[in-house]
Amino acid sequence: GQSLEQPSEVTAVEGAIVQINCTYQTSGFYGLSWYQQHDGGAPTFLSYNALDGLEETGRFSSFLSRSDSYGYLLLQELQMKDSASYFCAVHYGGATNKLIFGTGTLLAVQP
Amino acid sequence: GAGVSQSPSNKVTEKGKDVELRCDPISGHTALYWYRQRLGQGLEFLIYFQGNSAPDKSGLPSDRFSAERTGESVSTLTIQRTQQEDSAVYLCASSEGAYQPQHFGDGTRLSIL
Repeated sequence: GQSLEQPSEVTAVEGAIVQINCTYQTSGFYGLSWYQQHDGGAPTFLSYNALDGLEETGRFSSFLSRSDSYGYLLLQELQMKDSASYFCAVHYGGATNKLIFGTGTLLAVQP
Repeated sequence: GAGVSQSPSNKVTEKGKDVELRCDPISGHTALYWYRQRLGQGLEFLIYFQGNSAPDKSGLPSDRFSAERTGESVSTLTIQRTQQEDSAVYLCASSEGAYQPQHFGDGTRLSIL
């Protein structure tokens, strides 16, 4: 089957850097995505890694190591508005584009 | 253009009733997905449509759940004989194609009394 593990909660202060880890076990892995979801809102796409290495998008970076079945999301220069849940999601399924989501990491940014 | 639109935004119904949820994807997006999110949980895949291919229904939890999509347009998710465990937010997403970012609607919050 498929499973993903990520920490349930992380707390950090404004201006800091935080890393949210994600480990996965799945067959037919095609890539790892990260989504942000504010309380009561829709998930929004942050990044996608299909190959090993680091992808940078502004203050957010995402890393993937396929050999280690591991990835992380790095948030720099944290702002209060970054307080949200962050989900890693594995793309798998061959011809289909199913996403299997982790249970999410609740990030609390404190002043 | 407009994002993914879902309706209704909220639905309260009695146990045993049927409900129909609607999703309007982003124009031109060939792929459409339905997910379920229970309170405090991650997203649970339900069904995936890609163009005119047969849908991937592997995530539907029971035969009370069904979904349709005509071409690359609107999709409806139907839950028959609703049960209290069906209470959740039902999210729809669309993407330009396989392995492209998925864009989510705001969801339908379904409450079964």
